[in-house]
Amino acid sequence: DTAVSQTPKYLVTQMGNDKSIKCEQNLGHDTMYWYKQDSKKFLKIMFSYNNKELIINETVPNRFSPKSPDKAHLNLHINSLELGDSAVYFCASSPSDRLEEQFFGPGTRLTVL
Amino acid sequence: GNSVTQMEGPVTLSEEAFLTINCTYTATGYPSLFWYVQYPGEGLQLLLKATKADDKGSNKGFEATYRKETTSFHLEKGSVQVSDSAVYFCALSDVTGGFKTIFGAGTRLFVKA
Repeated sequence: DTAVSQTPKYLVTQMGNDKSIKCEQNLGHDTMYWYKQDSKKFLKIMFSYNNKELIINETVPNRFSPKSPDKAHLNLHINSLELGDSAVYFCASSPSDRLEEQFFGPGTRLTVL
Repeated sequence: GNSVTQMEGPVTLSEEAFLTINCTYTATGYPSLFWYVQYPGEGLQLLLKATKADDKGSNKGFEATYRKETTSFHLEKGSVQVSDSAVYFCALSDVTGGFKTIFGAGTRLFVKA
């Protein structure tokens, strides 16, 4: 059973397009996250939701918009894609916002041409 | 603000060698400390953790001790295997730093047969 799943695994698209990445967790966790990992493996938090409420909104371009339809899902929509958006995006979840262990999805490799 | 500094890689070792990956942190409160491992093409997974000073986390032969006096959480393993080749991330969570986990830059480990 996959705990945290993301779709798609790979996403290749042209500059200027709009794309979405979906994330689902079946762990019953309250808190979910989006991270961006660059080519040097540096991991940066983008957003976090706790029980569908946004609790972390880091300094990311407003072209990035998260949506949490329920606490098991956290999607990431990206408008007007740019070359610099190319990265691996990871979804993660944790039991609560009390900063316990996080469970990561397998990642979505986004390539913007 | 909170931060994590870990040794730059890559670290290249022969099988059965002793491994140390250094990690130091800065935190305003009393953080929990973690080591995560990322195998090629996968998401991060928790390797071990420690929640208070002098705690030792251990898993799969890896160990790390929470040293408050030196603000360190160095990862060690007595005898590495080829299968340990991965990127290792030190991380801290501190509620006084907001609801987010701070990750180090990652250290890539290569183990040669």
